[in-house]
Amino acid sequence: KAGVTQTPRYLIKTRGQQVTLSCSPISGHRSVSWYQQTPGQGLQFLFEYFSETQRNKGNFPGRFSGRQFSNSRSEMNVSTLELGDSALYLCASSLWLAGGEQFFGPGTRLTVL
Amino acid sequence: DQQVKQNSPSLSVQEGRISILNCDYTNSMFDYFLWYKKYPAEGPTFLISISSIKDKNEDGRFTVFLNKSAKHLSLHIVPSQPGDSAVYFCAAAFGNEKLTFGTGTRLTIIP
Repeated sequence: KAGVTQTPRYLIKTRGQQVTLSCSPISGHRSVSWYQQTPGQGLQFLFEYFSETQRNKGNFPGRFSGRQFSNSRSEMNVSTLELGDSALYLCASSLWLAGGEQFFGPGTRLTVL
Repeated sequence: DQQVKQNSPSLSVQEGRISILNCDYTNSMFDYFLWYKKYPAEGPTFLISISSIKDKNEDGRFTVFLNKSAKHLSLHIVPSQPGDSAVYFCAAAFGNEKLTFGTGTRLTIIP
């Protein structure tokens, strides 16, 4: 069974631009969660989608948004990029809801210049 | 407000000895705890978990201990191997809600 895939793996943008990251969960998994990882901050929860509906949202500004499609694939979008948005963005999928074991993708490394 | 805390950013252990990674939490509603391991340029991988109805769970070289009264959990790795060198994250959840992660501990196994 293929694992969680994320595209692109690396991305360089400039301040003010917007970016869209993509995540394909493990086949059959219905929940997709997104996290931001920065040095010293661990994994900060962004949001979780289940059956195309956002179930939970973390403490991030409205510039961060996401969606999930009927095939469970998910995208997250960051508008008006700031230097502080430079981070590793991780996507995780789980069979059911997000409160149990999650399977992570390799992440997308976003650098904002 | 950091509800899950890993107070040791790094830990070095001799190969063959026991590695003990610690994690504290503040939310008494948490009822499920997990440990993940992360290598550079890879996503975290699940290691072991424990439900709040238990105080210990073992899987091979990995054992997780939960002390609910102290709101503390620990991961024991014995014997430690060079391949165990990685960043370890503890995480907690209640009900089927989202996972809350700690900030991670970088474990280095010295050959």
